[in-house]
Order: sequence, then C-alpha cells, then structure tokens
Amino acid sequence: DADVTQTPRNRITKTGKRIMLECSQTKGHDRMYWYRQDPGLGLRLIYYSFDVKDINKGEISDGYSVSRQAQAKFSLSLESAIPNQTALYFCATSVDSQLKTQYFGPGTRLLVL
Amino acid sequence: AQSVTQLGSHVSVSEGALVLLRCNYSSSVPPYLFWYVQYPNQGLQLLLKYTTGATLVKGINGFEAEFKKSETSFHLTKPSAHMSDAAEYFCAVSDQGSNYKLTFGKGTLLTVNP
Repeated sequence: DADVTQTPRNRITKTGKRIMLECSQTKGHDRMYWYRQDPGLGLRLIYYSFDVKDINKGEISDGYSVSRQAQAKFSLSLESAIPNQTALYFCATSVDSQLKTQYFGPGTRLLVL
Repeated sequence: AQSVTQLGSHVSVSEGALVLLRCNYSSSVPPYLFWYVQYPNQGLQLLLKYTTGATLVKGINGFEAEFKKSETSFHLTKPSAHMSDAAEYFCAVSDQGSNYKLTFGKGTLLTVNP
C-alpha cells in the first residue's frame, strides 16, 4: 500500500466552485506539504505544516487554504477555483530524522474550466 | 532566498550513452541537495541526496551526483542510459537550518533514444 495517498487523482471543476484535495499518510511523519507543478516551472510550495497546530504559507498561497485535521491528514482547499489553478498538485511528507527528505504522493490532476 | 538552476529543460541521449543533467544552486551556507525523478503519471521519487560527508553520492538505478562547493553544483550522471531512464528529473536544495522547505529547480526532461 502507498505511504502517501491523494484523493481524488483527477478532478474537473468549474470556475467559482469550491473543491478540496485530500492527502493521507501512513509514514508517521509530522511534516506535510502541498505543492503545485506547472510545466516548465517545477514544483512550487503552497502551504506546509510541521504539526497539527503549525501551518505556514508557502510561496504561492493566495487562493488556497489548508486544514491539518490530524497528524496523518492534510487537506488543500480552493475556495473559488479559477482556470489558472489548473495544475498537478502534490502532497509530501517528511520527518526530522531523515534529514529533510520529502516523500511524495502520486498527485492530483486538477482542471478548472 | 535560495535558488536552483537546471541547465537544459530537455536533454536527449542515445541508449547506452552518458547521461549528464546539470544543477547549480545559490546558498549562503552548505546546503542539503537532492535529485528526484518523476516517471510519467507518477509522483516524485528520491533518486539520491547529499547531506554531509562524501561529496560523491550514489543513488538508485545507477545514478550518482557530485557535490562541488567551489562550483555550487550538484550534477547528476549515469554512465550508460537505459530506455527506462526516460523521465523528468528535479534538483532541489534545502539549507541545514530548521527550515525544512525544499526549493526545486524547473526540471529536466530526459529522453532516451533507441
């Protein structure tokens, strides 16, 4: 079974809709991250969380919000989706003892029409 | 702020040829350095990493990278390309402080021709 799972894997939505992307992990890691990937731009950090009560904005947090419901769950919300949020979204986890190595989920491909 | 530059958004090699993917970083302190690989329709997988110690790091699938502080580089190499190496490769950097964020390069797409 995958250590980091993301649901849904693919999603099509319309402009203005609210959607939530979910991430769960069984690795026991305390740190979790959300990235978006766009062609030619690499991965950019949206939000990150070091534990349930510690949530931080990344470099491109505008238009997004997150919720850390438990150590193992970290959700990303688009309150009002817009077409330029069409991207591939990745969740990742890490733990202090592994020197910042991040482990990635399979990704969610989002299309905003 | 840290930055990572991957020279060449697309590299094409023949099967059996040397693979060289370039990565340069900017950091005011010795960084941690990573290479990740992304196969089509998959997430990112750690290929190798440099933290401290030996500057030549060996990873999975026959890849290796050398940390050169004087050149601020961490280039990825493989002596002989295989068709299964076709993927996108990302270099990433993080400083050694308490900040656990990674800064990624824009990626290099490797194509392997038969």
